Amino acid sequence: NAGVTQTPKFQVLKTGQSMTLQCAQDMNHNSMYWYRQDPGMGLRLIYYSASEGTTDKGEVPNGYNVSRLNKREFSLRLESAAPSQTSVYFCASKARDLYNEQFFGPGTRLTVL
Amino acid sequence: QKEVEQDPGPLSVPEGAIVSLNCTYSNSAFQYFMWYRQYSRKGPELLMYTYSSGNKEDGRFTAQVDKSSKYISLFIRDSQPSDSATYLCAMSARTGTASKLTFGTGTRLQVTL
Repeated sequence: NAGVTQTPKFQVLKTGQSMTLQCAQDMNHNSMYWYRQDPGMGLRLIYYSASEGTTDKGEVPNGYNVSRLNKREFSLRLESAAPSQTSVYFCASKARDLYNEQFFGPGTRLTVL
Repeated sequence: QKEVEQDPGPLSVPEGAIVSLNCTYSNSAFQYFMWYRQYSRKGPELLMYTYSSGNKEDGRFTAQVDKSSKYISLFIRDSQPSDSATYLCAMSARTGTASKLTFGTGTRLQVTL
């Protein structure tokens, strides 16, 4: 099992460009999450999907959109990137009843110039 | 004020030392407590999980929860250079598909030879 995979690993954008971060999990988990991690700020939840077909805002949703394409895939879209969105983005997934353990992907390092 | 406070460090200790990492929180509804370990340029991985108050031991690691003081700790005995990483506390008020984790900012630990 690959667990949680994310693409791309690195990306540099110019202000105003758009892009989609991809996330997939092969553990048959119901819930999926997108976080950003910034120095001194810890992990902050952007959006989550409790189950296939549902999405909800987290702590810092402005400037982002998400799509739960199917049970395996959860994508994060930046429509018009801003320098404030320079960060490391992590996707995570969680089984329905397995405590609260979230399994994380390796992250995407995004720089917006 | 953040819901979860964690000293960012860095914390530098010699090999073999006992390490104490701590978090305080303000939300009395939290009852599920976790410690994640994050190596440089990797995603977080679950290290310890505890429910409500008490201690849990796993090898060289011990997690303690004191709900009356809203204080959790992670102790590492006989620390090794391979323990050098950032340690994130995380907590949740509930389980289930819609549950979310609130993370501390992480403490960076360096174990020196």
